[in-house]
Amino acid sequence: EAGVTQFPSHSVIEKGQTVTLRCDPISGHDNLYWYRRVMGKEIKFLLHFVKESKQDESGMPNNRFLAERTGGTYSTLKVQPAELEDSGVYFCASSPPGTIPFYEQYFGPGTRLTVT
Amino acid sequence: AQSVTQLDSHVSVSEGTPVLLRCNYSSSYSPSLFWYVQHPNKGLQLLLKYTSAATLVKGINGFEAEFKKSETSFHLTKPSAHMSDAAEYFCVVKQSDSWGKLQFGAGTQVVVTP
Repeated sequence: EAGVTQFPSHSVIEKGQTVTLRCDPISGHDNLYWYRRVMGKEIKFLLHFVKESKQDESGMPNNRFLAERTGGTYSTLKVQPAELEDSGVYFCASSPPGTIPFYEQYFGPGTRLTVT
Repeated sequence: AQSVTQLDSHVSVSEGTPVLLRCNYSSSYSPSLFWYVQHPNKGLQLLLKYTSAATLVKGINGFEAEFKKSETSFHLTKPSAHMSDAAEYFCVVKQSDSWGKLQFGAGTQVVVTP
């Protein structure tokens, strides 16, 4: 069974440009999460999808970030326009449907975003 | 409010010696606690989890952690370090009033020397 995949693995863009990160969850996982780790900081939650709906987007830093999950399969995270402080590693995770019992979140390898 | 504190940013151990990674948490409710590991260029992998069952939790690769409510701690241990244990380790709390939002500690980088 394929794990969570993320594309690209690394992206280098200039300040002001747009970047789109993609996450493919494990097949059948309704829950999809985005996290990020900026340099020297903890990994922080960004948002949570249940199928195609945003369950919790309390961690989205500002309106330059737009996450979508059309059809409840893969998800994209767009940063427009990118700023220097957006540099970091963006992780995607997925988990099976339901909340009880609590299922572990399976993480992808991350996308390293560098904004110059 | 909840928070997670990993008391050591770096730990260096010799191969074959015990490993101790310390984690304290604060939580208003009964927490779910986890340890994740990230090897270089890999995704985060769950080592073990505590969800209010047994306080001593056994995980993969010989790791275990003990939940101590009185000390608000969830330290990770392994009796004998292996070279392959070199990685970054994260103590994680799941908020009890949240569906699945995880809160991460700052991470502990483990170096294993021959």
